[in-house]
Amino acid sequence: EIQLLESGGDLVQPGGSLRLSCAASGFAFKSYAMTWVRQAPGKGLEWVSGISGSGSRIHYADSVKGRFTISRDNSKNTVYLQMDSLGVEDTGVYYCGKDMGMIVVKDYSHFWGQGTRVTVSS
Amino acid sequence: DIQMTQSPSSLSASVGDRVTITCQASQDIGIFLNWYQQKPGKSPQLLISDASNLEAGVPSRFSGTASGTDFTFTIRSLQPEDIATYYCQQYDSLPRTFGPGTKVNIK
Repeated sequence: EIQLLESGGDLVQPGGSLRLSCAASGFAFKSYAMTWVRQAPGKGLEWVSGISGSGSRIHYADSVKGRFTISRDNSKNTVYLQMDSLGVEDTGVYYCGKDMGMIVVKDYSHFWGQGTRVTVSS
Repeated sequence: DIQMTQSPSSLSASVGDRVTITCQASQDIGIFLNWYQQKPGKSPQLLISDASNLEAGVPSRFSGTASGTDFTFTIRSLQPEDIATYYCQQYDSLPRTFGPGTKVNIK
């Protein structure tokens, strides 16, 4: 059974940093790309970032490029999202997703974790 | 970025009704389109991939079709457990973009 467990969400002040983690189990982690999407309160879904199975290919939405860093540790079956220079617009629930394939491009997530909440506020 | 428009933004229908949601891409995306269901407080669940491919375990009352840049999602006979917000998403190119969602309620 596939399981994705996000953690690390918290209340942080504008300009602050946070690192989200997503621990995966139930599948061959290193063989699949992983993705982060987010959802602002009462709003729709926004794709944030994706990383290939090997970690060599990384992609970001323009809204987070230069501020967020996605990474993965295949020995720990965990994907991370380092979030720096946070603004109020980054508030929301962050979900990690498992892609169908290995490389992010022309691929999609077929399974999501339950999410972790990030609140950016002074 | 590819823009996804979705309509209606919300709808109310009776149990047993046929419900249709449309999604339009701002450019050709082939059939690289998914439909997700999201219930309140829950993560999204993939219902349909490749525009019309029903995911394993998803009830057959859900279906999807494609015609050019226009995509249609249908619930053949609305059930109380179908109350949710439905999103289309293109994955032809990055960034993957979602439609704004359609909230489905029971009348």
